[in-house]
Amino acid sequence: EVQLVESGGGLVQPGRSLRLSCAASGFTFDDYAMHWVRQAPGKGLEWVSGINWNSGSIGYADSVKGRFTISRDNAKNSLFLQMNSLRAEDTALYYCARDYYRSGWYYFNYWGRGTLVTVSS
Amino acid sequence: EIVLTQSPGTLSLSPGERATLSCRASQGVSSSYLAWYQQKPGQAPRLLIYGASSRATGIPDRFSGSGSGTDFTLTISRLDPEDFVVYYCQQYGGSPTFGQGTRLQIK
Repeated sequence: EVQLVESGGGLVQPGRSLRLSCAASGFTFDDYAMHWVRQAPGKGLEWVSGINWNSGSIGYADSVKGRFTISRDNAKNSLFLQMNSLRAEDTALYYCARDYYRSGWYYFNYWGRGTLVTVSS
Repeated sequence: EIVLTQSPGTLSLSPGERATLSCRASQGVSSSYLAWYQQKPGQAPRLLIYGASSRATGIPDRFSGSGSGTDFTLTISRLDPEDFVVYYCQQYGGSPTFGQGTRLQIK
């Protein structure tokens, strides 16, 4: 059974940093691209960042470019999101999602339950 | 960036009726790279449709997708009470983007 379990969320002050993790199991992790998708409270879905199977291709939404860094450790079946210079508008539930394929960005056929990030003073 | 606009924002129907949800793209979506998701309260989104018209594994055949280019449709043929939740479209012809969602509510 595919499982994606996010962690690392919490309350953080504006301008500070936070690192999210996603532990994957139930599939061959390095066969798939992975993504972070967020959802602000009561709002819709926003793609944040994606990384292909070997970290050779990485993409970011304009809203986080230059502040967030996605990475993965295939040996540990883990996905990460380093979030710097956090803003109030980054407050959201952050989902880890598995892509359909290993390269390029496609659709997301498995999702974790999310980890909540709250940016507030 | 391809902007997706979903309509209507809220759709009020009764169980057993047919629902038609629209998703319009600001520019053509290549190769019909469009997906639909269902999101129930407190849950992660669930993939319903990919490639504009292919049903994901385990999705009932009352859900169907159609369209190409800039206009796409999700149709639910006979609404079940559990279908009254929120639906999102997503394009993956470039950097992924989502529509703002359509809420399906009981009339």
